[in-house]
Amino acid sequence: DSGVTQTPKHLITATGQRVTLRCSPRSGDLSVYWYQQSLDQGLQFLIQYYNGEERAKGNILERFSAQQFPDLHSELNLSSLELGDSALYFCASSVDAGRTYNSPLHFGNGTRLTVT
Amino acid sequence: LAKTTQPISMDSYEGQEVNITCSHNNIATNDYITWYQQFPSQGPRFIIQGYKTKVTNEVASLFIPADRKSSTLSLPRVSLSDTAVYYCLVGGGGGSYIPTFGRGTSLIVHP
Repeated sequence: DSGVTQTPKHLITATGQRVTLRCSPRSGDLSVYWYQQSLDQGLQFLIQYYNGEERAKGNILERFSAQQFPDLHSELNLSSLELGDSALYFCASSVDAGRTYNSPLHFGNGTRLTVT
Repeated sequence: LAKTTQPISMDSYEGQEVNITCSHNNIATNDYITWYQQFPSQGPRFIIQGYKTKVTNEVASLFIPADRKSSTLSLPRVSLSDTAVYYCLVGGGGGSYIPTFGRGTSLIVHP
């Protein structure tokens, strides 16, 4: 058990809808990362937060947004969903801000999103 | 950002030692090398991390030569449950760093 909790585990929704994925980081970790994994794209970095502030942005679509709350949990909001958004969405946490990499990532088991 | 190159796939048999090599020619002075394991439909799991020479834990060993331009993950006496994708990541060294996962190495362990 990594200590990172993601909910829900599965989500099925229709095109055009909006969903929210939730992540609780490991106790003591201040950084939260979101990744998307689809069969043809591998693990793609979306966005990182550290102690409530956005720290890095990857190839995150404008339809997607995220935030990290004072209790350090994070939410990833996906709107105007398209079929191509179907994927596994992983959250990971680490102790540091990501400016040094001597602190490994701890991943949750993901949310499987299916857009029909 | 140091780019990594590792084999796309490897096959082995139960009980054998498996060595997966990762090339990272432009590794920076302060970069660490980290390996993750991922099973289907699960998040990647941290295996081992090192900076130089050799690191060993209960799961694997990591060998890093003096020039640090490559590293080898060694899995002793693999079992069927070691069938997974293994990712090598290099980074850190100050400044903004985004852990970037490539395609990894798909290891299949046969009975």
